[in-house]
Amino acid sequence: GAGVSQSPSNKVTEKGKDVELRCDPISGHTALYWYRQSLGQGLEFLIYFQGNSAPDKSGLPSDRFSAERTGGSVSTLTIQRTQQEDSAVYLCASSLSRFGSVTDTQYFGPGTRLTVL
Amino acid sequence: LAKTTQPISMDSYEGQEVNITCSHNNIATNDYITWYQQFPSQGPRFIIQGYKTKVTNEVASLFIPADRKSSTLSLPRVSLSDTAVYYCLVAPSGGGYSTLTFGKGTMLLVSP
Repeated sequence: GAGVSQSPSNKVTEKGKDVELRCDPISGHTALYWYRQSLGQGLEFLIYFQGNSAPDKSGLPSDRFSAERTGGSVSTLTIQRTQQEDSAVYLCASSLSRFGSVTDTQYFGPGTRLTVL
Repeated sequence: LAKTTQPISMDSYEGQEVNITCSHNNIATNDYITWYQQFPSQGPRFIIQGYKTKVTNEVASLFIPADRKSSTLSLPRVSLSDTAVYYCLVAPSGGGYSTLTFGKGTMLLVSP
């Protein structure tokens, strides 16, 4: 079956512009996660959605970052007034969990490589 | 937060067994240990997960001693395609996502 998809695969933008990154989770997965991976670094948790509950935004690095998940499916990560330090690969993952257990297997998308000039 | 420590890199040859150890001295009672594998330009993928003792699947084995302060991912007879970054993740069941960090992982290079 189809896995997690993300678009665009690559995004180059100028400092100060806004960007939107999209994630399509696996159908039926109730949990959705966003991570950021800078060059040579591990994955940094950003935000977590579980069904229709309020998201856990505690990992977002600043108020320039926001995310939505419409209809419990597709999610959009928005970065406003991008800065050079926002350059990274943004990864989305989904899992079947109904209760948000981190023991549940996460399935990752291929990521969006964001470059801020 | 159960911080994890892994070797930055490891080298091996095809056909050898590779053991990657992760230290997590501050692991909590409700923490599980999960290992992920990441190839270049791809997202991580789940390999194995455990709570204590030994877990084995078709890909790997995970050894966890009684004190759970470390864990060892064992890859039997590695091939060139096992070259990847391996992440050890320690996280609680039922929540705590703000502490969900993968660390820098271990870069495994398998040579012919």
